[in-house]
Amino acid sequence: SQQGEEDPQALSIQEGENATMNCSYKTSINNLQWYRQNSGRGLVHLILIRSNEREKHSGRLRVTLDTSKKSSSLLITASRAADTASYFCATDPITSGTYKYIFGTGTRLKVLA
Amino acid sequence: DAGITQSPRHKVTETGTPVTLRCHQTENHRYMYWYRQDPGHGLRLIHYSYGVKDTDKGEVSDGYSVSRSKTEDFLLTLESATSSQTSVYFCAISEGTTELPLHFGNGTRLTVT
Repeated sequence: SQQGEEDPQALSIQEGENATMNCSYKTSINNLQWYRQNSGRGLVHLILIRSNEREKHSGRLRVTLDTSKKSSSLLITASRAADTASYFCATDPITSGTYKYIFGTGTRLKVLA
Repeated sequence: DAGITQSPRHKVTETGTPVTLRCHQTENHRYMYWYRQDPGHGLRLIHYSYGVKDTDKGEVSDGYSVSRSKTEDFLLTLESATSSQTSVYFCAISEGTTELPLHFGNGTRLTVT
């Protein structure tokens, strides 16, 4: 079964607005990563947050992690048309025993110019 | 971009035929993964490898086999393709610590008619 579920499934915003997407997962994790996928391409790593961290920033990206609620959020500030893509969270479950990354179902973001 | 090449990029095959997809890396990474991506399911792990000749199953391994005879090559075989295996297949590599990201190839779009 899927470890992560992103919410919303799709999001459409105007350029310059902020975009927030959420990820919920089921089991305890070592860390959580966010990836971006442009149409027809492979996934590209954006940011990693460890289980003992609560917030992390990278450029226009802000990630939060709430291990008590088993959820994470990705905020993209001042969005651009080039941010149009699908965004996935990926977790490294503690119980996996090895380096098995489990991906969520993704959020499709469309940024309108 | 990480040196990952997937071949072929597109393939159409008939039900019941064997199909082999190839992933080739030039990064000398220890871990290699095969994922499939389907609408509504995100990415699901098929098989992964943690070294030459060392492989293990993921969550959707039925109907698939893999082989890794060299560090740089990871092959995914559909022994007898079925229509339910129509999907986009992604190869990913990792250095093997969960705090380092996965690097993805650009995918193989497989259609089974």
